[in-house]
Amino acid sequence: DIQMTQSPSSLSASMGDRVTITCRASQTIRNYLNWYQHKPGKAPKLLIYGASNLQSGVPSRFSGGGSGTDFTLTISSLQAEDFATYYCQQSYMTPWAFGQGTKLEIK
Amino acid sequence: EVQLVQSGAEVKKPGESLRISCTGSGYTFTSNWINWVRQMPGKGLEWMGRIDPSDSYTAYSPSFKGQVTISADKSTSTAYLQWSSLKASDTAMYYCARDDRSSLYGMGVWGQGTTVTVSS
Repeated sequence: DIQMTQSPSSLSASMGDRVTITCRASQTIRNYLNWYQHKPGKAPKLLIYGASNLQSGVPSRFSGGGSGTDFTLTISSLQAEDFATYYCQQSYMTPWAFGQGTKLEIK
Repeated sequence: EVQLVQSGAEVKKPGESLRISCTGSGYTFTSNWINWVRQMPGKGLEWMGRIDPSDSYTAYSPSFKGQVTISADKSTSTAYLQWSSLKASDTAMYYCARDDRSSLYGMGVWGQGTTVTVSS
């Protein structure tokens, strides 16, 4: 089974900062990598699919990159509403898997 | 509007059975797989399995295979997650989510979640 490892597990940042979260797959997943934002009390929200494609309605300050085994999610200028937990997820081969999550907190 | 609506919160005792539901609307239900995702209290997201509502073909995570049953009724556009004998460790929030081949199976539509509490 494919394992997904995110880093860091938590991150403190300020409004306006640029932040990058990384995700590594235990074997190649081509570009079948998705990123989600999850806030307490709400359903997760798809931000990026196919490693680098912005889901409709998601602000352009979010971007994704990478292929194969190494991927990134970048938020170019943090806004108040971006403080949440972020997960990567591979959809290349079942069983699909999420990373352990990165909690983004206000510094 | 495309949406998935899940059944309400459940409080059960260990050993009891349970089936929760996820009803799709605003799209052709048989065109997309439905996934189930667990979040235990204070923990991350875990993919449990998925079903193709057109033929009820399923795929499970090894962690959940044999512990739950995923099914679907295309006549009512509803997917189900079922337990035959609940444990306290099944206490969690459960989400259903629709994936989309055009987004490389990213899960773009989610239900609102169903809280399951198992306690004696």
